[in-house]
Formats: sequence, structure tokens, C-alpha cells
Amino acid sequence: QKEVEQNSGPLSVPEGAIASLNCTYSDRVSQSFFWYRQYSGKSPELIMSIYSNGDKEDGRFTAQLNKASQYVSLLIRDSQPSDSATYLCAVNPNSGYSTLTFGKGTMLLVSP
Amino acid sequence: EAGVVQSPRYKIIEKKQPVAFWCNPISGHNTLYWYRQNLGQGPELLIRYENEEAVDDSQLPKDRFSAERLKGVDSTLKIQPAELGDSAVYLCASSLVSGGDTEAFFGQGTRLTVV
Repeated sequence: QKEVEQNSGPLSVPEGAIASLNCTYSDRVSQSFFWYRQYSGKSPELIMSIYSNGDKEDGRFTAQLNKASQYVSLLIRDSQPSDSATYLCAVNPNSGYSTLTFGKGTMLLVSP
Repeated sequence: EAGVVQSPRYKIIEKKQPVAFWCNPISGHNTLYWYRQNLGQGPELLIRYENEEAVDDSQLPKDRFSAERLKGVDSTLKIQPAELGDSAVYLCASSLVSGGDTEAFFGQGTRLTVV
């Protein structure tokens, strides 16, 4: 069974700090990886996608992928209280038509 | 551009009653997903459509759940009869698959409570 593992948290960081969210996956042939943000009572919102090893930066967000270690992470720089949410890691085993497998999510709390 | 639209937003029903959810995907998106999300869990796929064809329904409890996507656009998910354990948020997502990889976008979800 294909699994995506995340620490449920909560991960607590002070405002302005770097938040580091981690995710491991079991299916070695996985091709693409996504981070979704989900506020309480809301639906998941796509914030980052990454397809190749290395780093991908978008504003305050950096996604990091290491396929050899089957590990993907999300760094949030200059964390803000508005970043407080659950962050879901999602993995697609193949490009194109396959389906996302989600982790349970990590709750991030950013304190003012 | 409008996002994925779902209705209703909330539904409370008694067990053994039927219920239906509706989804209108982003215009032009050929792939439509129904996910179920239990409290404290990530979304779990129920069914995936490519245009009108259900290509992955392995996790759909077929004894009580059914879905359709007429004309490859809107979709309906039905539960009959509902059980207490069906209480969850039902999420619809859509994506455009065209060669390379694809990103899925979610609707606001339908929160179902079975009493």
C-alpha cells in the first residue's frame, strides 16, 4: 500500500521564524509532489508543486525533494500567524492520469 | 475564472436516508475526483473520472455509493442508504491533464453529518 507519512504536530514556531514541514513516501516510483494548505473548516489549497530533485522557491515557500531518500519538505520563511493551518503532503506515483495520495497533514501554529 | 463549485455546503440526514452531492469542475478540466476527508485525516480518493469514464473507483464502497459524470462535466456522488460512519467532508477536485503533470484544485466541500 502506497503511504505518505507526516508528523501530525502541532509544530509551533514564533512569528518570523522558519517553519520546516516534512513528508516521506513509500512508493519509490513516485513522480510528482504537492503541498496543500488547509485552514480549519476549509478545503485544501494548492501552494507548491515539485517534480525534480532539489529546491523550488515561490515567495516565502521553498519545497525540497530528495527522491533517493523518498523525502519531500516545505520550508516557510518569515512565518506569519496567517500561515497557521494544516499542511498536507500529496504524492502522485505517475505523471498524467494518476491520483494523489495524501498524508494526514501537519498542523502548524505560528504565534505572534 | 470560477473554481470548483460544490453543493450543498452542509447536509444533515438521518441514517438510512439517501443523499447526493453535486460538483461543477473548473471549465476545461477533463479530470474530476471525489475525495472523502475524515476529521484529522488527509483526503482519500473515492473515484476519479477522465472525461466521462470512471478510471479509478477501487475505493468507492459500491454497495451504497454511486457516482456519475454526464457529458464529462458536472458530477454527482450519491449515498444510499447513508450510515453513521459516512459522516465526513466530501471534496470534489478537478485538473487538466495535458501531457505533463497536473495540479488538482479542490472545491469547498460538502460536510455531511449522519445522525
